Amino acid sequence: DTEVTQTPKHLVMGMTNKKSLKCEQHMGHRAMYWYKQKAKKPPELMFVYSYEKLSINESVPSRFSPECPNSSLLNLHLHALQPEDSALYLCASSHDRDAGYTFGSGTRLTVV
Amino acid sequence: KNQVEQSPQSLIILEGKNCTLQCNYTVSPFSNLRWYKQDTGRGPVSLTIMTFSENTKSNGRYTATLDADTKQSSLHITASQLSDSASYICVVSDRGKLIFGQGTELSVKP
Repeated sequence: DTEVTQTPKHLVMGMTNKKSLKCEQHMGHRAMYWYKQKAKKPPELMFVYSYEKLSINESVPSRFSPECPNSSLLNLHLHALQPEDSALYLCASSHDRDAGYTFGSGTRLTVV
Repeated sequence: KNQVEQSPQSLIILEGKNCTLQCNYTVSPFSNLRWYKQDTGRGPVSLTIMTFSENTKSNGRYTATLDADTKQSSLHITASQLSDSASYICVVSDRGKLIFGQGTELSVKP
């Protein structure tokens, strides 16, 4: 298995909702990442997990809460989001921080 | 400041033609340089990854070159196909921290 699987592919949520994005990989990668990408912009790093521990938080608002239950899974819990949080959320994994990344197909999030 | 600049910003070519995309970077130190292809609304897909000592790397119709002295890279696409229409992103790794270029939007017309 050489893929990073993200679910759901699309999500529409209200500003008072709580939802979660899920990411799964079975390549044995020990580093996993969440990125946010706005239209026609490059991805922006949000969080990095290394060996299931949060190693980097790029000053992301607390309404985004990451979780790494095990070495294959990465979640992003969403609560009280704003319309400007609407974007493509990408998960990626790599063998280590300097190795090539495998990106998932992303979750298209719309906050209404 | 570590930067990655790509040119052109957008490019339109006819199917079957070749094209070359450019990437200049100021990232130092430099671990590796990657080229990704990203279809609209999808995640980036890796095309090539090159370390400091590599000058060229191919992946099918895609050939990347790297000149670490001038801090320049190029991505050459041969015999373009309609499915090559996408954004091509140059990414430089600074000890694991990725610096993304703004991308080149390629449109291949029939």
